[in-house]
Amino acid sequence: ETGVTQTPRHLVMGMTNKKSLKCEQHLGHNAMYWYKQSAKKPLELMFVYSLEERVENNSVPSRFSPECPNSSHLFLHLHTLQPEDSALYLCASSQVRQAGELFFGEGSRLTVL
Amino acid sequence: SQELEQSPQSLIVQEGKNLTINCTSSKTLYGLYWYKQKYGEGLIFLMMLQKGGEEKSHEKITAKLDEKKQQSSLHITASQPSHAGIYLCGAGISNDYKLSFGAGTTVTVRA
Repeated sequence: ETGVTQTPRHLVMGMTNKKSLKCEQHLGHNAMYWYKQSAKKPLELMFVYSLEERVENNSVPSRFSPECPNSSHLFLHLHTLQPEDSALYLCASSQVRQAGELFFGEGSRLTVL
Repeated sequence: SQELEQSPQSLIVQEGKNLTINCTSSKTLYGLYWYKQKYGEGLIFLMMLQKGGEEKSHEKITAKLDEKKQQSSLHITASQPSHAGIYLCGAGISNDYKLSFGAGTTVTVRA
């Protein structure tokens, strides 16, 4: 069982759909992250949760809504997305918030039509 | 402008040859991290460098940190097909927990 698991791996949705991405970590970590990776661009930090509290919202549009019900699970709820939101969404976790050693999931490839 | 610049953007190397990737910061570094990513997958942590002049090696991969130059290099010796992928540097640019990442260097190893 991998340390950080993301589902689904691939998602195609229309601009009016509502969908969610799920992330689960089995490492006992206290911090979880959502990153967006677009082609030829650096990873963009979207949200950070530490001990289930959101500590970072990096100017992300409200059409992205995170949820962290417990320290092992992280969701990214998607609604009314735009085609430019198509990207690889990566979840990561770390033992504590101040850490550079992140453990990443394999990502959810999102395509918005 | 990007805070972390990686060069080259991509490179192709013959199996068995060496290669070097550079990561340069426009700001003071608070820790430098190297990751590897296979296309469309997650990142795998390789190494962390925290002190100027620090050098670490793992198998055939060596990373160095030149703090004065705000630069790090990743060197692969005698490359193998398993070294193919995207290498990303991440760094603490401000003195908080956030990591900034470079855009990545795509490495192709030809047999």
